[in-house]
Amino acid sequence: NAGVTQTPKFRVLKTGQSMTLLCAQDMNHEYMYWYRQDPGMGLRLIHYSVGEGTTAKGEVPDGYNVSRLKKQNFLLGLESAAPSQTSVYFCASSYRTSTDTQYFGPGTRLTVL
Amino acid sequence: QKEVEQDPGPLSVPEGAIVSLNCTYSNSAFQYFMWYRQYSRKGPELLMYTYSSGNKEDGRFTAQVDKSSKYISLFIRDSQPSDSATYLCAIGYSSASKIIFGSGTRLSIRP
Repeated sequence: NAGVTQTPKFRVLKTGQSMTLLCAQDMNHEYMYWYRQDPGMGLRLIHYSVGEGTTAKGEVPDGYNVSRLKKQNFLLGLESAAPSQTSVYFCASSYRTSTDTQYFGPGTRLTVL
Repeated sequence: QKEVEQDPGPLSVPEGAIVSLNCTYSNSAFQYFMWYRQYSRKGPELLMYTYSSGNKEDGRFTAQVDKSSKYISLFIRDSQPSDSATYLCAIGYSSASKIIFGSGTRLSIRP
């Protein structure tokens, strides 16, 4: 039982490049989330999903897209990376509601030059 | 006004001290109150979970909710160096599809 895993762990991009972050969970959770964490800003929700095939915008969705084609996977895409997207990205999942315990992945450290 | 306010610290206390961490919130509809602990370069993990008002105790940790004041607290007794981490409060309500995190308080326990 691996819990929540994230790929890659680190990445450096140049401005304008694109990339996809992959999140996988093996707990059969319905809800999945993508957060970004910046110094002094706490965790800010980018996008979330309440089930396979569904996605919704969070607090800071601009510049990101997501897909949840399979229940266990939640992908976060950056189409044209900007330095403002330099951050640590966390994926999380919860069983059936947002107030169930959220289980977090180890994070992806992204730097955009 | 932010929905959840949390003092970012940093807070540094000697080993064995009692630590008090706090958050305030603005929406009286919130019913679920959580504390997550995050060690350096790790993902957050749930530490304490409280529904509605009152206290909850788990070992050296006590979570307290005062809905009349819209104020939540986490107390750590007999603090240990291993408690050094960032503590994030989080709040939510049953019909919401997301919870809201505070900005986190960085805590350091000096041996």
